[in-house]
This record gives sequence, structure tokens and C-alpha cells, in this order.
Amino acid sequence: SQQGEEDPQALSIQEGENATMNCSYKTSINNLQWYRQNSGRGLVHLILIRSNEREKHSGRLRVTLDTSKKSSSLLITASRAADTASYFCATGLQGAQKLVFGQGTRLTINP
Amino acid sequence: DGGITQSPKYLFRKEGQNVTLSCEQNLNHDAMYWYRQDPGQGLRLIYYSQIVNDFQKGDIAEGYSVSREKKESFPLTVTSAQKNPTAFYLCASSLRRGTDLNQPQHFGDGTRLSIL
Repeated sequence: SQQGEEDPQALSIQEGENATMNCSYKTSINNLQWYRQNSGRGLVHLILIRSNEREKHSGRLRVTLDTSKKSSSLLITASRAADTASYFCATGLQGAQKLVFGQGTRLTINP
Repeated sequence: DGGITQSPKYLFRKEGQNVTLSCEQNLNHDAMYWYRQDPGQGLRLIYYSQIVNDFQKGDIAEGYSVSREKKESFPLTVTSAQKNPTAFYLCASSLRRGTDLNQPQHFGDGTRLSIL
């Protein structure tokens, strides 16, 4: 299985609700990053959390990192239709010069 | 505005043909990357380059080649040896900050390659 695995694979919620996506990984990391991809477009970097951090906020985004469980979560509060996209976690591995991306969570916000 | 430009947006390849995908950045980033994305899947790393005139194979380099003659440019050639080239190809770049690797990556809007 891959270094980064996301759960759920797809999520559909009503506008205004909160959306939570999870990412698990296997090996030690320098940091963990979350990206958004709108259909047919490139990825956009959302937030980076370092291995010595436990929680980070950016606007309506909240990311947590639990290195003992090798997992991270992305919470989007008060969701909007424009949040409809795929969300990917990417792990920056110790000693590596590259990121490893998960398979993504496809989020649909229903108006 | 700074960014990454990929061209063309759509590309068609005939049997036995090599095709080259362009990637140009004006962000003054040292590192550049090529990824392949298949439907409903994540990104897989093809090649990456940390500095000019140097590049390394990623996880799925077979059937692909790259060059890095200029800091701004990192073209990807999909050769006839790549038997299943139909995919969405994404180019990215990032800063290098000493020993702090794994910087956030900036992406282009991709090239969709199909076989005729």
C-alpha cells in the first residue's frame, strides 16, 4: 500500500457543514502537506504542518498531525460550494528530496 | 504574475511517436518535478531535478526522458517505449532551502495526453 492513504475516498455533504478528511502514512516524515485540485486543473498548496507541530490553522482550514499514530486530518469548516474539489495529502519523507502523494479524497459540497 | 506554464493543454500521440511536453516557470525555483496522474488516482513521480543539468528518476521513469538545461525549463519527452501514455501530466516546482527539503510545490495546469 502507499505511503499516504486517504480516507474517505469520496465525501458528499451539504453546504455549511464541516468536512473532515484523514491521511495515514507509514514512515517518518519531515512534514505533511495538504493540496486541493479542482477538476482538470493543477494542485494548489493549502497548508504545511511540520513533524514537531500538532495543529495548524489557515482560515477555515484546520490540520492536525499525530506522529504516534502516523496520521493527519484536514477539517474544512462552514463548507461552500467552491470547496468542491479533490484533496490530497503529501508527505515529505526524512532524507528524501520529494513528496509522496496520497490518492486523494473527492469532496462534493451540495448547495 | 509568477507561475508555471505547461503546454500544450491537450496532446495526441501516434503509435511509435515521441512527444515533448513543455514546462516553464518564472518563480526562480531551483527544483522542478514531473508527475503522472491517472483517473481517480494520486500523483506518481516521473522525474525530478534539484539544480540545472542534474535530474533523478522518480518512481515511474521508464519510457520517459527529461532535460534541465535552464533553470526555468524542464521539458518531458514521452517516448514510444511508454506503452500506456494516456494520462494527465503535471509539472511542479519548489524552492530549495539548504537541508530543509520537501518545500511546498507550485503546479502548472497540466497537459492531457491521449493516443490516436
